[in-house]
Amino acid sequence: DAGITQSPRHKVTETGTPVTLRCHQTENHRYMYWYRQDPGHGLRLIHYSYGVKDTDKGEVSDGYSVSRSKTEDFLLTLESATSSQTSVYFCAIRSGEATEAFFGQGTRLTVV
Amino acid sequence: AQSVAQPEDQVNVAEGNPLTVKCTYSVSGNPYLFWYVQYPNRGLQFLLKYITGDNLVKGSYGFEAEFNKSQTSFHLKKPSALVSDSALYFCAVRDMRSGNTGKLIFGQGTTLQVKP
Repeated sequence: DAGITQSPRHKVTETGTPVTLRCHQTENHRYMYWYRQDPGHGLRLIHYSYGVKDTDKGEVSDGYSVSRSKTEDFLLTLESATSSQTSVYFCAIRSGEATEAFFGQGTRLTVV
Repeated sequence: AQSVAQPEDQVNVAEGNPLTVKCTYSVSGNPYLFWYVQYPNRGLQFLLKYITGDNLVKGSYGFEAEFNKSQTSFHLKKPSALVSDSALYFCAVRDMRSGNTGKLIFGQGTTLQVKP
């Protein structure tokens, strides 16, 4: 596996609470991505980063924010979790020269 | 709009038989195409890609894919399926509107079931 660690791997939280998911890489890759996986939708991009403090929105960014203060860490925050954010979240990384991205193991988030 | 379609939710094949998992795409310009596989409770693993060159690309675990520009397809194939190939397969295309950001657009996934 590529050097990507997602934490936590599983989380159950209540509606309205803030939640932060962490993606940590040891590859020193420039690009990092957060996707969510839902049945019938495949994976959809939430936010991505192209460098420290450089981030941009993806297809389904509403209700999510991100931060990247160090090359190795990319945080995804749900400011106030809703049931529609119950999903499996995947982090991916890519070097600037490569065409393919490599994915972490995923975080299963349940909002009750 | 750019998109990827995997027309089959599930493909069933007997072990030892050839398999095909279909993918069609819609994207402006020359596409960058990818196949990923997801085993139960695991992340996505990169299988293969088409960027340019030979229309038949070979990847991991004996998989290959054929790029067909006229049919805008990128079907995943394997000559002889294994039970261990049973998994969820995703086709993806790079969002070519966004420069080198590498954003991917995924199909909805196809479950491959290989029976002994």
